Amino acid sequence: GAVVSQHPSWVICKSGTSVKIECRSLDFQATTMFWYRQFPKQSLMLMATSNEGSKATYEQGVEKDKFLINHASLTLSTLTVTSAHPEDSSFYICSADPGVPDTQYFGPGTRLTVL
Amino acid sequence: QQQVKQSPQSLIVQKGGISIINCAYENTAFDYFPWYQQFPGKGPALLIAIRPDVSEKKEGRFTISFNKSAKQFSLHIMDSQPGDSATYFCAARQTGRRALTFGSGTRLQVQP
Repeated sequence: GAVVSQHPSWVICKSGTSVKIECRSLDFQATTMFWYRQFPKQSLMLMATSNEGSKATYEQGVEKDKFLINHASLTLSTLTVTSAHPEDSSFYICSADPGVPDTQYFGPGTRLTVL
Repeated sequence: QQQVKQSPQSLIVQKGGISIINCAYENTAFDYFPWYQQFPGKGPALLIAIRPDVSEKKEGRFTISFNKSAKQFSLHIMDSQPGDSATYFCAARQTGRRALTFGSGTRLQVQP
């Protein structure tokens, strides 16, 4: 089946630094990718929709200058958490849309811990 | 505003029993309702999904029941096994959109 990878799988960084998370569709092209955030024992909350070659669409309450999203190719989207703070510590999950109806593939997630 | 309400928050079932998780929604523009299974530290994986023109869909031990008039849908796991122990999320997708709105999740524990 279709595979979506995320890198890194976990990362620890110091407060104030920036962290980049990659989301790749390994065996299909995805014109649209989604970024979700999941706090411990909570649900997935959509952060933004990333479209290849255009600006991302952010959900209400998500700071676009803090969470930079780049979808430079049909197989790669990146999320950069800028000037990270402890409250940004979370599980970040991407999903990729291959353009097939009712189909979306999720990555394994990236655990971010900000000290 | 929680658009998809899920219950219960946690569930303990004996091996071989039936696990039932319920979801309700208000937005009549939702037209696709998937269920996802998530193990700790992993991304969610699609289990089964239904569209509102069908009242029930079964795949193996997993069944979705859908009540359009009540705006409710549920997941039934028959012959529950310890390996089914995970967190289950219902979700919904609005017509014309590709992103999903998730319920709050149900932590299922199947005791041997």
